[in-house]
Amino acid sequence: DGGITQSPKYLFRKEGQNVTLSCEQNLNHDAMYWYRQDPGQGLRLIYYSQIVNDFQKGDIAEGYSVSREKKESFPLTVTSAQKNPTAFYLCASSIRGWGSPLHFGNGTRLTVT
Amino acid sequence: DQQVKQNSPSLSVQEGRISILNCDYTNSMFDYFLWYKKYPAEGPTFLISISSIKDKNEDGRFTVFLNKSAKHLSLHIVPSQPGDSAVYFCAASLNYGGSQGNLIFGKGTKLSVKP
Repeated sequence: DGGITQSPKYLFRKEGQNVTLSCEQNLNHDAMYWYRQDPGQGLRLIYYSQIVNDFQKGDIAEGYSVSREKKESFPLTVTSAQKNPTAFYLCASSIRGWGSPLHFGNGTRLTVT
Repeated sequence: DQQVKQNSPSLSVQEGRISILNCDYTNSMFDYFLWYKKYPAEGPTFLISISSIKDKNEDGRFTVFLNKSAKHLSLHIVPSQPGDSAVYFCAASLNYGGSQGNLIFGKGTKLSVKP
């Protein structure tokens, strides 16, 4: 069954620690994305990658980093530089980039205290 | 400033009736629009899309209408079912010389369908 897997579903970290969120897809999609959702807010784009070994900053990239070494994997690191890291993080993929519908994972809720 | 606005945070509808979810946008250069549905603790699911060259797109119980002059789109669900209860996000993107730009999402409308 094809899809996007985000793990873990819930993650807790102490302030000042870096944390990496996993995202894997077996849809053979070229493009992958990371979004952040805060209560009462729409989805905001953090980073995206249209192809392996290439990625671009989204609207709120500060305090985050990504890598795209494999087509099926797009991990997101939330660094200690991110001022408000507590949020619901969503990973998505699409067949060929913007212009094709996004398929989302079920998200990771990160709580930093 | 929000480029995609969903002015109704919530909507309650009786089962079997029509649900109408509205979305307004400010950038007249947006040319591709999508609706996503989201259940709690899950990722959004793509529902339906429409290109700016059309004014209507239909898929089963779901129809999206686009009014470019008013910069307004709406999603109609007929008939509404309790399983439609979810948060609905409107999204839009720009075409940059043949390539679509990134999606801009609205804040969502929570639909409740009462049995």
